[in-house]
Amino acid sequence: EIVLTQSPGTLSLSPGERATLSCRASQTVRGGFLAWYQQKPGQAPRLLIYAASRRATGIPDRFSGSGSGTDFTLTISRLEPEDFAVYFCQQYDSSLSLTFGGGTKVEIK
Amino acid sequence: QVQLQESGPGLVKPSETVSLTCAVSGFSVSTGFYWGWIRQPPGKGLEWIGYISHSGSDVYNPSLKSRVTISIDTSKNQFSLRLDSVTAADTAVYYCARREQWQAFFDSWGRGTLVTVSS
Repeated sequence: EIVLTQSPGTLSLSPGERATLSCRASQTVRGGFLAWYQQKPGQAPRLLIYAASRRATGIPDRFSGSGSGTDFTLTISRLEPEDFAVYFCQQYDSSLSLTFGGGTKVEIK
Repeated sequence: QVQLQESGPGLVKPSETVSLTCAVSGFSVSTGFYWGWIRQPPGKGLEWIGYISHSGSDVYNPSLKSRVTISIDTSKNQFSLRLDSVTAADTAVYYCARREQWQAFFDSWGRGTLVTVSS
């Protein structure tokens, strides 16, 4: 099973700042099957990025994903007030299993 | 636009079985996607439970495999989760979601339903 480790656990930033979130896999994520989700309190997760770098429908271009192999990054170029939330990464591997990372909380400084 | 809605008992006793259903509207479950369940204990992260194809092929999280069954009913356009021998550790919000066929991301989610395991 591929384990995903997200860092930092919490990111304290101000609106307008840049956020950089990391997701590190214990093994190579083949095919770049890596997605990012945003979750706000009391809501279901929302898909932001799939295939490591492709924005989902309706996602603003301030959100971008990058990386390959075992290291992936979600970047929010300029934080808007609605971006303060928890972010999860998720991978899919050749054994047909899925795993989620533990999450990074982006909070207002 | 696809919509998913979970339903089931909010409270279950330890050692019992919990059954949840996900009703899908705006999209046919018979059309080439996978249908999955994910759970989230209060204040914690997401855990994938399993998924099923429109044709009934299923895959489960190895840590839950011995207690989980996912089924699909194309005539009712819904799919279901059965979790046996529950304990307090199974207390969580349970989400159903649509899983994209090739890239395996979840692009549509239900609002979730809280299942509490308590005597």
